[in-house]
Amino acid sequence: GAVVSQHPSWVICKSGTSVKIECRSLDFQATTMFWYRQFPKQSLMLMATSNEGSKATYEQGVEKDKFLINHASLTLSTLTVTSAHPEDSSFYICSAGLAGINNEQFFGPGTRLTVL
Amino acid sequence: DQQVKQNSPSLSVQEGRISILNCDYTNSMFDYFLWYKKYPAEGPTFLISISSIKDKNEDGRFTVFLNKSAKHLSLHIVPSQPGDSAVYFCAASGGNQFYFGTGTSLTVIP
Repeated sequence: GAVVSQHPSWVICKSGTSVKIECRSLDFQATTMFWYRQFPKQSLMLMATSNEGSKATYEQGVEKDKFLINHASLTLSTLTVTSAHPEDSSFYICSAGLAGINNEQFFGPGTRLTVL
Repeated sequence: DQQVKQNSPSLSVQEGRISILNCDYTNSMFDYFLWYKKYPAEGPTFLISISSIKDKNEDGRFTVFLNKSAKHLSLHIVPSQPGDSAVYFCAASGGNQFYFGTGTSLTVIP
């Protein structure tokens, strides 16, 4: 089956620093990837849709200057949390779908960000 | 290698009947399991969860069962309603990672 990986799986950083999270589709090409934020026992909050070769589409309330998304190739999207603060601590999860297959999404294992 | 599997990509159920969605996992270290519901063009919505110390959790029409020895969990929806038609994902977590299944598309027929 299709595999999506994320790196790093866990990162701890100081307040004010920037953190980059990578999302890769390992055995398929994904023109579109999605970035989510997970709070404990809550829904996955869709942050943005990452489009290869063009700008990401951000959901309402998500600061695009705070969460920079780059979809550099058909297998890689990156999310950079700039000037991270403790309230940014969360699980960040990406997903990618196979073209032409409705609703089938493959999720990455998530990245736990802890901002001190 | 898929650590969480939903072997049925789709399921159709008559309105009023029970919907049973299944999920299998491979890692006995998982200690928390979740079910999400997803409509097209939206992010998954959290439905219900269960920790590994329990074998059942109920919330209204939704009940999740966990069989640790079989590494199997299931979501029961009773009675099923047309508005339940969506894709359902199960997820398992342990330590610092989440693992999701590939989803089961449920159609509830009026």
